[in-house]
Amino acid sequence: DIEMTQSPSSLSASVGDRVTITCRASRSISSYLNWYQQKPGKAPNLLIYAASSLQSEVPSRFSGSGSGTDFTLTISNLQPEDFATYYCQQSYITPRTFGQGTKLEIK
Amino acid sequence: QVQLQESGPGLMKTAETLSLTCSVSDGSISSYYWSWIRQPPGKGLEWIGDIYYSGIIHYNASLKSRVTISLDTSKKQFSLRLSFVTAADTAVYYCARGVEQWLVGRNQYNWFDPWGQGTLVTVSS
Repeated sequence: DIEMTQSPSSLSASVGDRVTITCRASRSISSYLNWYQQKPGKAPNLLIYAASSLQSEVPSRFSGSGSGTDFTLTISNLQPEDFATYYCQQSYITPRTFGQGTKLEIK
Repeated sequence: QVQLQESGPGLMKTAETLSLTCSVSDGSISSYYWSWIRQPPGKGLEWIGDIYYSGIIHYNASLKSRVTISLDTSKKQFSLRLSFVTAADTAVYYCARGVEQWLVGRNQYNWFDPWGQGTLVTVSS
């Protein structure tokens, strides 16, 4: 199985900040990497697919990059509604695996 | 816009068989795959398995001996059965649509979108 490791596990930031979350795969997954946002009590919501493609209706302050084993999710100009937990997911092979999550909290 | 809705029991006893159904509304059930994912309280996401419109099925090996996923195209529903549940199976269970798409100048990629709202299943003795 491909193990996905996110860092940090938690992060404190302020409205207007720029933050970066990292996801590392245990072996190369090319660009088969997706990012999801999950708010408390809600289902995950797709933000980024294929490492860098922005899902429709997702604000442009979200961006993704990377390939191979190392990927990043960047959120520019943090807004109050961005405080949530973020998960990466590899879609290279089954089993489809997720990172452990990064909780973004208000400072 | 396609919507997914899970249904099933909220409370179960150890060793029973969990049965969940996901209903797909306002969208085609073909040309996609259909997935189950779960999340224990306060923890991360675990993929359970997928079923394609073609009938191809993938299961997570960690659950394979206990899991069955099926698709009823006439009802636009897909289902999950998980046998011999224990407290470790307590989780919010999500259904999701799997999208496979060729991206211009790139390969075919896949992702989960959208997800159902999730249903909490609690297993007690």
